[in-house]
Amino acid sequence: QKEVEQDPGPLSVPEGAIVSLNCTYSNSAFQYFMWYRQYSRKGPELLMYTYSSGNKEDGRFTAQVDKSSKYISLFIRDSQPSDSATYLCAMSGTGNQFYFGTGTSLTVIP
Amino acid sequence: DAGVIQSPRHEVTEMGQEVTLRCKPISGHNSLFWYRQTMMRGLELLIYFNNNVPIDDSGMPEDRFSAKMPNASFSTLKIQPSEPRDSAVYFCASRLTSGGQETQYFGPGTRLLVL
Repeated sequence: QKEVEQDPGPLSVPEGAIVSLNCTYSNSAFQYFMWYRQYSRKGPELLMYTYSSGNKEDGRFTAQVDKSSKYISLFIRDSQPSDSATYLCAMSGTGNQFYFGTGTSLTVIP
Repeated sequence: DAGVIQSPRHEVTEMGQEVTLRCKPISGHNSLFWYRQTMMRGLELLIYFNNNVPIDDSGMPEDRFSAKMPNASFSTLKIQPSEPRDSAVYFCASRLTSGGQETQYFGPGTRLLVL
């Protein structure tokens, strides 16, 4: 079993829709949870960063962590065509190594 | 800050040739990571350094791959000899480890095609 599981999609939604992206993980030692956004032919860029369980909001983006279920989510409200990208979840414990999901491809249709 | 800098951005080479990828981490960062990304396998960690010292190279696929970090501002990933299955995008990322869990910042990647 992989450390981190993520549905690759692709996901296609109309502009203005609410998008929900999810990852599950198996290692209960993970404490730090991140979402990266990767545009085509670019490097991943950090979008959201949370520690332990709970919610974090930044503009149209909300990250949720449920450690009891080993499940994290990223919600995008009022999605825009500029949100079209691949979204990667990542997580780590106390060590240096990050564990990445395979990414979910999102297209927001105008 | 210029961010993580990688060169070259694109590399096309023939099977059997040596390939050297370069990375300049963000100034002040003390950890550096090399990743490979393919459609099939996603983002794979190859090796990472802490304070210029290789810590974990278990992701390096074979002896054909080697990485060095001679100083805090420069690292190389070398493939010799290269093979078509090495074709991928190679990313370098850096991070400041200072007791918290500060995240990694990625470079733009090197797109490698081995013919």
